[in-house]
Amino acid sequence: QQQVKQSPQSLIVQKGGISIINCAYENTAFDYFPWYQQFPGKGPALLIAIRPDVSEKKEGRFTISFNKSAKQFSLHIMDSQPGDSATYFCAASKETSGSRLTFGEGTQLTVNP
Amino acid sequence: AAGVIQSPRHLIKEKRETATLKCYPIPRHDTVYWYQQGPGQDPQFLISFYEKMQSDKGSIPDRFSAQQFSDYHSELNMSSLELGDSALYFCASSPWTGTRKLFFGSGTQLSVL
Repeated sequence: QQQVKQSPQSLIVQKGGISIINCAYENTAFDYFPWYQQFPGKGPALLIAIRPDVSEKKEGRFTISFNKSAKQFSLHIMDSQPGDSATYFCAASKETSGSRLTFGEGTQLTVNP
Repeated sequence: AAGVIQSPRHLIKEKRETATLKCYPIPRHDTVYWYQQGPGQDPQFLISFYEKMQSDKGSIPDRFSAQQFSDYHSELNMSSLELGDSALYFCASSPWTGTRKLFFGSGTQLSVL
């Protein structure tokens, strides 16, 4: 059973466009929600993370929007670049499990030049 | 900055053989996590260690074992390998400071023939 559901599975955007990836979770014990970026043959790298006490967090071109009541969060990539082409994973963790992450299924993002 | 180091990068084994994967965490990180990632799938948590003691256990087969040594490096031992064990195995480390940030290595690609 996938505890964190992610969509879409794949996404194609044009350079300069906005990429939006969505995630939903069921376990209300989750209290930390990071996004990871993974290039082929590499390990996931932390992009940005949010805790449920804020509704939005922005770092550069990356923004997380968080809706606690709906148990949903999303990643927005502004001014998408070809170098952003990668697989993006949302994840969640809970205090009682330390840094153990439960991942979403991943989104393959392709940004066309 | 120092990162998580995994070795070997690639490993090819026959069915029923054994394999040992090594992980060297970031200096001063005392927590290590192991994940398994199948092709096109999200990383699945296997096991974690804190201060050389097993701290959490996920979907790790009984054929696998792991430990963390006094210098904090960790080894994942896999016996009676099966074709389905072919995957990318990631190690990640984290400082036990409540930051929840998990830093991943580049992984070991295991192919079982």
